[in-house]
Amino acid sequence: QVQLQESGPGLVKPSGTLSLTCAVSGDSISRNKWWSWVRQPPGKGLEWIGEIYHSGSTNYNPSLKSRVTISVDKSKNQFSLKLSSVTAADTAVYYCARDPVVGATRGMDVWGQGTTVTVSS
Amino acid sequence: EIVLTQSPGTLSLSPGERATLSCRASQSVSISYLAWYQQKPGQAPRLLIYGASSRATGIPDRFSGSGSGTDFTLTISRLEPEDFAVYYCQQYGSLCSFGQGTNLEIK
Repeated sequence: QVQLQESGPGLVKPSGTLSLTCAVSGDSISRNKWWSWVRQPPGKGLEWIGEIYHSGSTNYNPSLKSRVTISVDKSKNQFSLKLSSVTAADTAVYYCARDPVVGATRGMDVWGQGTTVTVSS
Repeated sequence: EIVLTQSPGTLSLSPGERATLSCRASQSVSISYLAWYQQKPGQAPRLLIYGASSRATGIPDRFSGSGSGTDFTLTISRLEPEDFAVYYCQQYGSLCSFGQGTNLEIK
């Protein structure tokens, strides 16, 4: 059974850097899949942050691109998110997710439980 | 950037009724790159449909997806109590984005 688990600080100071890790179990991060980050501000909808392929290729949401870095650590079978210069608008539940790319189709079939990050001094 | 607009924002129906949710894209999206998710309060989203019409593993056949180009539909043929939730469409035609969601509530 594939499981994803987010971890990281629940409180980040304004102008600081948000850092989260997603540990993958039951699957290899080195296989042909995309690994994504999605966030959800309180009471709002889903926002795609970005994704990384097993090769290290990345795609980012243009609205966040200047502040986001997603990386993969194959030795630990995990991937990470860094979001710099955070403000209160970055307060959200952050999810990591797997996209197995079935044939030519896309869709995030496994999600972490989500972790709440609050930006506040 | 492709913008997805979902309608209606809120849909009030009773168990046993049929639900039709719409997702309209600002540009044409390949059917391979259109997915639907269900999200219940306090839970992560769950993949329902990928490739516009293929059900994900374990999804009941009362859920179906259709559409092409810029207009896509999620249909729930006969609502069960556990189906009342928020539904999102998602596209990968140009990077990735989600619609704003449709809240399916009990009437």
